[in-house]
Amino acid sequence: DGGITQSPKYLFRKEGQNVTLSCEQNLNHDAMYWYRQDPGQGLRLIYYSQIVNDFQKGDIAEGYSVSREKKESFPLTVTSAQKNPTAFYLCASSIVRTRRTDTQYFGPGTRLTVL
Amino acid sequence: AQKITQTQPGMFVQEKEAVTLDCTYDTSDPSYGLFWYKQPSSGEMIFLIYQGSYDQQNATEGRYSLNFQKARKSANLVISASQLGDSAMYFCAMREENTGTASKLTFGTGTRLQVTL
Repeated sequence: DGGITQSPKYLFRKEGQNVTLSCEQNLNHDAMYWYRQDPGQGLRLIYYSQIVNDFQKGDIAEGYSVSREKKESFPLTVTSAQKNPTAFYLCASSIVRTRRTDTQYFGPGTRLTVL
Repeated sequence: AQKITQTQPGMFVQEKEAVTLDCTYDTSDPSYGLFWYKQPSSGEMIFLIYQGSYDQQNATEGRYSLNFQKARKSANLVISASQLGDSAMYFCAMREENTGTASKLTFGTGTRLQVTL
């Protein structure tokens, strides 16, 4: 089945620890994105990548890091520098060939809780 | 800067009735795209419909249609013949399309729709 997978579904972390969230897609999409969602709010962009080995900061990149070594994978690391990391994290991907087809499709999300 | 406003935190609709979810936007870019996503309780964001700023006709996808009024900067989602499975959060989002690069979406705060019997 083609799609976007995120793991784990639930993640618990102690304060001061780094943690990495996985995002994999087998849709052959060029671009990948990470968003954060807090209760009662919309999604905010953390990082995005249009091609392998290249990525850009979104609106709330502080305390996060990413890598894009393979087209299929875009892991997100939540570092200890992120002051309030408890949130729902969503990964997305898109084709980026023409604007009309540049629709973002989302994975199922990872819920991160800092204890 | 882009901004999306959804003023209805929650809406109720009876099964088989139509419902309109409001969305207004603000942008200085002449070329932009507007999206609606559905988020069920499972959390996944499901793409529903897209409208380009230069599209002459309102977008439709099955039971979903987008009432695009450019002069008013509104892009309301209309769901016809509501079903119980339509109960979810609905998000309006916008993308500026003159940047030449990435597809950065700006989201509203969402509207929770509850379909009743």
